[in-house]
Amino acid sequence: AQSVSQHNHHVILSEAASLELGCNYSYGGTVNLFWYVQYPGQHLQLLLKYFSGDPLVKGIKGFEAEFIKSKFSFNLRKPSVQWSDTAEYFCAVTSYNNNDMRFGAGTRLTVKP
Amino acid sequence: DAGITQSPRHKVTETGTPVTLRCHQTENHRYMYWYRQDPGHGLRLIHYSYGVKDTDKGEVSDGYSVSRSKTEDFLLTLESATSSQTSVYFCAISEAGSRYGYTFGSGTRLTVV
Repeated sequence: AQSVSQHNHHVILSEAASLELGCNYSYGGTVNLFWYVQYPGQHLQLLLKYFSGDPLVKGIKGFEAEFIKSKFSFNLRKPSVQWSDTAEYFCAVTSYNNNDMRFGAGTRLTVKP
Repeated sequence: DAGITQSPRHKVTETGTPVTLRCHQTENHRYMYWYRQDPGHGLRLIHYSYGVKDTDKGEVSDGYSVSRSKTEDFLLTLESATSSQTSVYFCAISEAGSRYGYTFGSGTRLTVV
């Protein structure tokens, strides 16, 4: 079964610092990849998704992610974080013909003003 | 937000009692999912539905049952609640399956004492 690893459990940054959150998945077939964000006390919201084509995907709020197939990775980036980006971030993967989206354990991001 | 509501938002129940959580959508989406969110585990799929009366098990289905008698409602039942089922439960919907991403509800925080 597919699985997702997020290696950073808690990341603390100062405002304006650059962000990169790692995500690796284990599945050999065609996959669709997602990043979700969960602000404190709220539900998950979609940040961006990759289906096919350009491996550099741009999402909302200035986030982007790069799909590197050879490394089974889909890392999330943002050039300059803001205090309002404080949240938990989840990477998720689903295969083309499987109706089971698998989530990573999440990375908690704290941005200090 | 998108037309998906979960009820109740919070519930405290005693070990051994039955509990039913409700997910209601107004989007007429075919697919509905129940996940549980636990620290260090991310979200894990309990059950999902791909149509009225059509359901299937997910990764952590033991101790849970579901029913979908109408397109708009997906019920999750804990037949006899245990402390290990203390969690936050999220419902999600999708028009065409997991590979297109989900819209999540606001969650139900369940505490089993």
